[in-house]
Amino acid sequence: GNSVTQMEGPVTLSEEAFLTINCTYTATGYPSLFWYVQYPGEGLQLLLKATKADDKGSNKGFEATYRKETTSFHLEKGSVQVSDSAVYFCALNTGNQFYFGTGTSLTVIP
Amino acid sequence: DTAVSQTPKYLVTQMGNDKSIKCEQNLGHDTMYWYKQDSKKFLKIMFSYNNKELIINETVPNRFSPKSPDKAHLNLHINSLELGDSAVYFCASSRGTRGENSPLHFGNGTRLTVT
Repeated sequence: GNSVTQMEGPVTLSEEAFLTINCTYTATGYPSLFWYVQYPGEGLQLLLKATKADDKGSNKGFEATYRKETTSFHLEKGSVQVSDSAVYFCALNTGNQFYFGTGTSLTVIP
Repeated sequence: DTAVSQTPKYLVTQMGNDKSIKCEQNLGHDTMYWYKQDSKKFLKIMFSYNNKELIINETVPNRFSPKSPDKAHLNLHINSLELGDSAVYFCASSRGTRGENSPLHFGNGTRLTVT
């Protein structure tokens, strides 16, 4: 079946630290992969996406590379800011349905 | 302009009541969804409609009934509310059913509290 596994949180980092949130997936076929971000009190917003192997999605300093050989789509940012504090969701779409990870809460402290 | 809007934002009600949540999207998308997010932020798909046709109907109590009067609207009606229904409900939309290049667009959620 299709599923997404992402690292459990919460994650607490100091401002300007390096961020990695791990995400691995299981899927039939060739899924598209996404990272969504949810700020407090808001809905999920698309952060970045990748539609095929070796694609790199990037947005707002965040990056993730679609690695088919390791079935991974890890989220990285070189220098986090307090405003990056949110819950991050990894997701895949096989064409019929979206599958979400359990979310990773990130808190960035000044 | 809000792309996916849902009302109300907050809903507090007593057990046994019936309530509805409305959702509208102005993105011209063909597919709309209802998700439930629990207190641990876990997202669960409930329903999906494509052009007013039900395409995903996950294991959800039949007290929950979606209705799509047109492809821009998807409402959720809940009968005989229970304490366990307390959660945040998100409406979302996407272009078509094949989502490889069509991400989900979410509303801001409806926080339902059943007392």
